[in-house]
Amino acid sequence: QSVLTQPPSASETPGQRVTISCSGSSSNIGRNNVNWYQQLPGTAPKLLISSNNQRPSGVPDRFSGSRSGTSASLAISGLQSEDEADYYCATWDDSLSGYVFGTGTKVTVL
Amino acid sequence: DVQLVESGGGLVQPGGSLRLSCAASGFTFSRDWMSWVRQAPGMGLEWVANINHDESQKHYRDSVKGRFTVSRDNAKNFLYLQMNSLRVEDTAVYYCVREWGYWGRGSLVTVS
Repeated sequence: QSVLTQPPSASETPGQRVTISCSGSSSNIGRNNVNWYQQLPGTAPKLLISSNNQRPSGVPDRFSGSRSGTSASLAISGLQSEDEADYYCATWDDSLSGYVFGTGTKVTVL
Repeated sequence: DVQLVESGGGLVQPGGSLRLSCAASGFTFSRDWMSWVRQAPGMGLEWVANINHDESQKHYRDSVKGRFTVSRDNAKNFLYLQMNSLRVEDTAVYYCVREWGYWGRGSLVTVS
């Protein structure tokens, strides 16, 4: 089982805002920066947010991330059809000495 | 541009072995942490192993410890994953990842 918990799905109409939560513990999110990945159908994951809230070059500013305590969240504003994908949070876990991924959230644009 | 190209996947029987390779280009390979991440069919992402720039630090997930070995050749810009005693549950697409940010397209390993 994953040590980072995400809701299995989220959906919203185009133009609206969707938020995805990622719940962890003191050994992972509580101590280390969180990355977020977007995986479009049939493709490799792509880094969407690094170090809790940093957008790599080329990532639209519609995507934003935050971390508080042992939880993190990803927000997508102005939702577009091309945002339909699976989204994963991830971070290092000091207790496991390993990188851990969230359970993944499938975003659907209604 | 950063490029990571995996190879070496295929069909293998339980108990068999495979070696995955990842050819890296477009960055200073010898400086970076590198990782292997896998994804079983229809499932989520699962970290497998990672290695620091000079191989002095290696980490593995518990389920592959003692069976998988990560290594690198900084002269040739290659990352490797030697997989022994393969199990059906190791079936997945294996991705090569640089510093958690850049991913290859993956190589499919099927154990059956």
